[in-house]
Amino acid sequence: GESVGLHLPTLSVQEGDNSIINCAYSNSASDYFIWYKQESGKGPQFIIDIRSNMDKRQGQRVTVLLNKTVKHLSLQIAATQPGDSAVYFCAESLANNAGNMLTFGGGTRLMVKP
Amino acid sequence: DAGITQSPRHKVTETGTPVTLRCHQTENHRYMYWYRQDPGHGLRLIHYSYGVKDTDKGEVSDGYSVSRSKTEDFLLTLESATSSQTSVYFCATGASANEKLFFGSGTQLSVL
Repeated sequence: GESVGLHLPTLSVQEGDNSIINCAYSNSASDYFIWYKQESGKGPQFIIDIRSNMDKRQGQRVTVLLNKTVKHLSLQIAATQPGDSAVYFCAESLANNAGNMLTFGGGTRLMVKP
Repeated sequence: DAGITQSPRHKVTETGTPVTLRCHQTENHRYMYWYRQDPGHGLRLIHYSYGVKDTDKGEVSDGYSVSRSKTEDFLLTLESATSSQTSVYFCATGASANEKLFFGSGTQLSVL
């Protein structure tokens, strides 16, 4: 598939280490935030989401932290595995009855070294 | 991919020709979206639909039109393709207005 984001910020981690991917969002009124993982040639895949009334949410090996004061979102991946290598996107939205129009960040490439 | 099929998966066309991309979903989701993905710009919303025959423009709608005649299908049309529309196009669906979106596998379009 086509390479997306040839000049993406890249995070390189050792297998088994924890990864932290950061994202700054733009709209202080956004009330829903989501992280996607995208592998080469595939569509974005949902990882975890969080609403603005929460500061932290945990999933399986992943944790999302939301700091509304500084409009910052982070994704923590525990015990990073080679299969975690991908581009990670954060997205924000202010949903209304017309739908959930996500605004995406530029993405971060995670490379896991065996 | 939550039952989302995009067709074609790859297309090469010439400047000035019309192109239609199709998104088909089997999840009975109310909301459907078309995004384009370009290096340096991430994913940007082109058009979206909040029901049959209900559509609206997104951030980068110029040069595109959409139609949704039934719940399962959302068509994106480039009336007269330009080289700037070379991109990867993703369809997404959502069950409700404030929940996650599910994405298809994408269509790689090249306009020569």
